[in-house]
Amino acid sequence: AQRVTQPEKLLSVFKGAPVELKCNYSYSGSPELFWYVQYSRQRLQLLLRHISRESIKGFTADLNKGETSFHLKKPFAQEEDSAMYYCAPLPGTYKYIFGTGTRLKVLA
Amino acid sequence: DVKVTQSSRYLVKRTGEKVFLECVQDMDHENMFWYRQDPGLGLRLIYFSYDVKMKEKGDIPEGYSVSREKKERFSLILESASTNQTSMYLCASSLPPTTDTQYFGPGTRLTVL
Repeated sequence: AQRVTQPEKLLSVFKGAPVELKCNYSYSGSPELFWYVQYSRQRLQLLLRHISRESIKGFTADLNKGETSFHLKKPFAQEEDSAMYYCAPLPGTYKYIFGTGTRLKVLA
Repeated sequence: DVKVTQSSRYLVKRTGEKVFLECVQDMDHENMFWYRQDPGLGLRLIYFSYDVKMKEKGDIPEGYSVSREKKERFSLILESASTNQTSMYLCASSLPPTTDTQYFGPGTRLTVL
């Protein structure tokens, strides 16, 4: 079965510390890969997608095909990064498989 | 600017009632989706529509139905609401291909008593 795993439900880091939100998926082939973010009282929105290779708000995500991972990273966390983050591999069909989400709390 | 709107932010219904959740998008998107969002479970796809009057079941369609009579509007129907359908419901839309970015509505928090 196709699966995506975000092992941490809650991740707390101090402001200025590096952040890594983990995402592992199990698919055959090469899925399109997305990270979505939901800030408090805001709608879910795209943070970044692998194909565009962009860095959004200082976040990057590296695809590791060997480990089937797509971890989200930021070198220096900011308080405004506190939010719920969802990894969403899209295995070539319309059916996103969203992860269970990781709540990031950046402490002052 | 992309806009997806949902008819209600909060809704309280009683067990057994028929419930309609409406979603409207103004981006001329072909694809529309309904998800439910529950703590610890993430987002789960209920139904998907790729064109007017076309629909596909998602991962958890039981107890739900959908209607898409116009391109911009996608309705989720709970035929007989039950307490285990208390949840946050999110609507989304996207352009084809289906690998494109999804744009989400603000969500409807439904409570079934």
